[in-house]
Amino acid sequence: QKEVEQDPGPLSVPEGAIVSLNCTYSNSAFQYFMWYRQYSRKGPELLMYTYSSGNKEDGRFTAQVDKSSKYISLFIRDSQPSDSATYLCAIPQGAQKLVFGQGTRLTINP
Amino acid sequence: NAGVTQTPKFRILKIGQSMTLQCAQDMNHNYMYWYRQDPGMGLKLIYYSVGAGITDKGEVPNGYNVSRSTTEDFPLRLELAAPSQTSVYFCASEGQGASGYTFGSGTRLTVV
Repeated sequence: QKEVEQDPGPLSVPEGAIVSLNCTYSNSAFQYFMWYRQYSRKGPELLMYTYSSGNKEDGRFTAQVDKSSKYISLFIRDSQPSDSATYLCAIPQGAQKLVFGQGTRLTINP
Repeated sequence: NAGVTQTPKFRILKIGQSMTLQCAQDMNHNYMYWYRQDPGMGLKLIYYSVGAGITDKGEVPNGYNVSRSTTEDFPLRLELAAPSQTSVYFCASEGQGASGYTFGSGTRLTVV
């Protein structure tokens, strides 16, 4: 079983839709969760991070952690064409090492 | 501009050739990383360094080598290039605290 699993998509939705992106993880000891956004032909950039369980909101983006199910989600409200990118979940695995999900390619259609 | 700089941006290598991918950061970060990204496979850690003079293997180190003689630079060496090393290579650095990684813009490598 992979440590972090993410549906690679692709996912295509109309502008204004609510988008849900998800990852599952295997190690219940993980406490810290990150989401990166990667535009085409660019390096990933940190979008949000959360610690332990619960929600964290930043503008149109909400990160959610369900530790009982080992499930993390990123919600995008009022999606815009500029949100079109690949979204990667990432979890620190000790000693400053991040384990990444496969990434979900998202397209927002005008 | 502060950040992580990778060179070259693109390269085509013939099987058996060698090359060095350059990575430099000007943020005085101790931690630096090399990842490769293949389509649909996410990012896989090749090597990492926690400071000058200290390096360690990641998940997929075979066929690669690194050195870290200064805090700023973390070059990745490919010896005897193989088609399986065709990929996009990203260098990243991280400072203290929950700042996340800063990635470079990547090197697209094709081995033919």
